[in-house]
Amino acid sequence: QQQVKQSPQSLIVQKGGIPIINCAYENTAFDYFPWYQQFPGKGPALLIAIRPDVSEKKEGRFTISFNKSAKQFSLHIMDSQPGDSATYFCAASGSRLTFGEGTQLTVNP
Amino acid sequence: DGGITQSPKYLFRKEGQNVTLSCEQNLNHDAMYWYRQDPGQGLRLIYYSQIVNDFQKGDIAEGYSVSREKKESFPLTVTSAQKNPTAFYLCASSRYSLRQPQHFGDGTRLSIL
Repeated sequence: QQQVKQSPQSLIVQKGGIPIINCAYENTAFDYFPWYQQFPGKGPALLIAIRPDVSEKKEGRFTISFNKSAKQFSLHIMDSQPGDSATYFCAASGSRLTFGEGTQLTVNP
Repeated sequence: DGGITQSPKYLFRKEGQNVTLSCEQNLNHDAMYWYRQDPGQGLRLIYYSQIVNDFQKGDIAEGYSVSREKKESFPLTVTSAQKNPTAFYLCASSRYSLRQPQHFGDGTRLSIL
């Protein structure tokens, strides 16, 4: 009930492409869905977050899409750049934060 | 600048030895956390503390211990009972509760000699 399933495990795109990372959850008590970005040797940093009363949120080139009925949410990165190469984690919060397994994104020049 | 400081960045443990990882925050956050990160397994919660002098076990607390004597500090001890301690350890904090966005330190990488 507390799991968050994230896919794919790794993703390679060309510069300018639109990588999409998907997450699914089971616990309907989750009510806050953040995404974190982590560079090698660094701690994760909060990138963008959404609450289930909205279906989409944009911040710069990053967009979260949220489908409450399907219990799924996804991260889209528009016009991806080599500097976006990092590991991305989705998470969901009910009584506490539960993380997905992570997606290693590589954006080739 | 406010933030979370973890030290050391790299740490080596001998067999049968306890080691302590330091975590200090100057964000005036009430809650602090320790996570373990292994490749392909995301972040797993070891211990968390919502107030001084109180802490709770997370999902993988066996072989670890913590203390919270000051609001700013939440050290983690990896004991000899933890048979597979090699991992990247992350400390985090949040303003009030476990539901708040969490700010992370830059981690300590622990290896076995």
